[in-house]
Amino acid sequence: GNSVTQMEGPVTLSEEAFLTINCTYTATGYPSLFWYVQYPGEGLQLLLKATKADDKGSNKGFEATYRKETTSFHLEKGSVQVSDSAVYFCALSDRGTGFQKLVFGTGTRLLVSP
Amino acid sequence: DADVTQTPRNRITKTGKRIMLECSQTKGHDRMYWYRQDPGLGLRLIYYSFDVKDINKGEISDGYSVSRQAQAKFSLSLESAIPNQTALYFCATSGISPSGAFYEQYFGPGTRLTVT
Repeated sequence: GNSVTQMEGPVTLSEEAFLTINCTYTATGYPSLFWYVQYPGEGLQLLLKATKADDKGSNKGFEATYRKETTSFHLEKGSVQVSDSAVYFCALSDRGTGFQKLVFGTGTRLLVSP
Repeated sequence: DADVTQTPRNRITKTGKRIMLECSQTKGHDRMYWYRQDPGLGLRLIYYSFDVKDINKGEISDGYSVSRQAQAKFSLSLESAIPNQTALYFCATSGISPSGAFYEQYFGPGTRLTVT
């Protein structure tokens, strides 16, 4: 079945540091890939997405590139801020479910200190 | 106003009690979902509904039931709550993204349920 593997957290960084959160996936065919963010006390929000190989999703300074050859979708940001502290979830959906169901990774907590 | 609302936001109940969590949405989406979130396990799908007459089990439906009262309302029930159902529960809806390129899920703020 489909699955998503994320690096365990927490990831602790100082403000302005470079961020990478690794995500790899297992799926049949060509899934769509997503990063969701969960700020404290809130529900999940879509951060960025990519729907085909070599697509780069970007939003709020975050980027992730859909790498089919390595089945990866790593999240990066060049300079993190304290306000980026949150839990980040990698997820996929695939054609087998009509792209109607999401499979989530376990989440990675990011803590950014001033 | 929030597009996806959940009530209650927090609930403490005792083992064996019946409890209902409610979800309402104003996005006009047909598709609705219930997930639970546990530390270290991410989000797992409990039930989903593609329209009022279509309800499907997710990966962890045992011990739960749902009711789709209307397009906008999707309730989750625990018939006899047990402590390992202590978790954060999220409702979500799904619709075509503004770009039309993919389906996007929109999440409610969550209900924190504690079963003692």
